[in-house]
Amino acid sequence: GAGVSQSPRYKVAKRGQDVALRCDPISGHVSLFWYQQALGQGPEFLTYFQNEAQLDKSGLPSDRFFAERPEGSVSTLKIQRTQQEDSAVYLCASSLEGRGSYEQYFGPGTRLTVT
Amino acid sequence: GNSVTQMEGPVTLSEEAFLTINCTYTATGYPSLFWYVQYPGEGLQLLLKATKADDKGSNKGFEATYRKETTSFHLEKGSVQVSDSAVYFCALSEEAQKLVFGQGTRLTINP
Repeated sequence: GAGVSQSPRYKVAKRGQDVALRCDPISGHVSLFWYQQALGQGPEFLTYFQNEAQLDKSGLPSDRFFAERPEGSVSTLKIQRTQQEDSAVYLCASSLEGRGSYEQYFGPGTRLTVT
Repeated sequence: GNSVTQMEGPVTLSEEAFLTINCTYTATGYPSLFWYVQYPGEGLQLLLKATKADDKGSNKGFEATYRKETTSFHLEKGSVQVSDSAVYFCALSEEAQKLVFGQGTRLTINP
């Protein structure tokens, strides 16, 4: 079956532009996570949805970052007024149920470069 | 807060060598522990997991045992292959479900 897909795979933005990154989770997966992975580092948690409810947004680095999942399926991560420090790979993951031991399935990521 | 520390890389071994990648963690409760792997050009995928103390996770010849007394989850493989070359991430997850990752260890296996 289809895995987690993300689009675009690569995005170049000029500083100050807004960007929107899309995630299509595995069908039927309740939980959806966004992570940010800087070059040479491990992924860092940004935010978590259970269905359409955003239950944790403690990892969002500033109020320029906004995520939504309005129908409990596709999710969009929006970054307003991009800065150079936003350059990273943005990973989306989904899991069948939001318990700690359930496997998170990751998408290929969107590499964002802010120039 | 919760955190994961991995041995620093990169690690370079010859084929058929024994592999250990160290991982220790700090957590307030009783987390589940994971090893994820990222092969060149591919996304993160789960390699193995353990959900409680003394559990051993295993997959593709890799093993890791959840050691509560030493707060460790070291990854081992008895005989590595060139195809094991990848970046390995140790991670934990508590009730809040989010994964907390280590910084990753790049492994290169030479034929």
